[in-house]
Amino acid sequence: QVRLVQSGAEVKPPASSVTVSCKGSGYTFSWFAINWVRQAPGQGPEWMGGIFPISGTPRYAQKFQDRVTINADESTSTVYMELRSLKSDDTAIYYCARDVEAAPSSNVPFYYYGMDVWGQGTTVIVSS
Amino acid sequence: QSVVTQPPSASGTPGQRVTISCSGSSSNIGSNSVNWYQQVTGTAPKLLIYSNTRRPSGVPDRFSASKSGTSASLAISGLQSEDEAEYYCAAWDDSLNVLVFGGGTKLTVL
Repeated sequence: QVRLVQSGAEVKPPASSVTVSCKGSGYTFSWFAINWVRQAPGQGPEWMGGIFPISGTPRYAQKFQDRVTINADESTSTVYMELRSLKSDDTAIYYCARDVEAAPSSNVPFYYYGMDVWGQGTTVIVSS
Repeated sequence: QSVVTQPPSASGTPGQRVTISCSGSSSNIGSNSVNWYQQVTGTAPKLLIYSNTRRPSGVPDRFSASKSGTSASLAISGLQSEDEAEYYCAAWDDSLNVLVFGGGTKLTVL
């Protein structure tokens, strides 16, 4: 079955960095975009960015542009999200989520239809 | 404060039909497709609707959606107790160049 499995929970001090991984299985990894969405306690989802593995070109929300890096390793079917300069309000559950549709072509830099398969979530706590 | 607005709460009794609205602008709902997500407390969001009206496989046809101009709505017919959850609309925003979520609607099944 189609699955996304994320790395485990992290506790990080302020100003440090965290990297969360997301390994896909059960589908043709390269042809589906992967998005990163976070959810702070008691808040709604917030889209951080995404990547279409074939293009390798990430798309970031402007809010995170200076602090986030998303990349994909097609050889291991894994997408990584690094968030730097952590602050207390980065404390959240971080999800990776796969697009519901395969890319319309291999030439698109990024695309989005909706997110139908989600990882189990990775809790990141930023605390001194 | 989200650029896409939803009512904070909605309610209905089992078997009833309820609708949840989502209001945006020309840069998001007015020019891009709308998604609807269901989130039960403690779990990841679940995609109910994409491309305004399409249901992913496995989503029952009790869930339907529509869009008109800069607004969209989700309808749930034959309401069941397991439908009690938070519901979010989402759409790409061309001005902000980001996927925006509504503030969420808490659905209570009475």
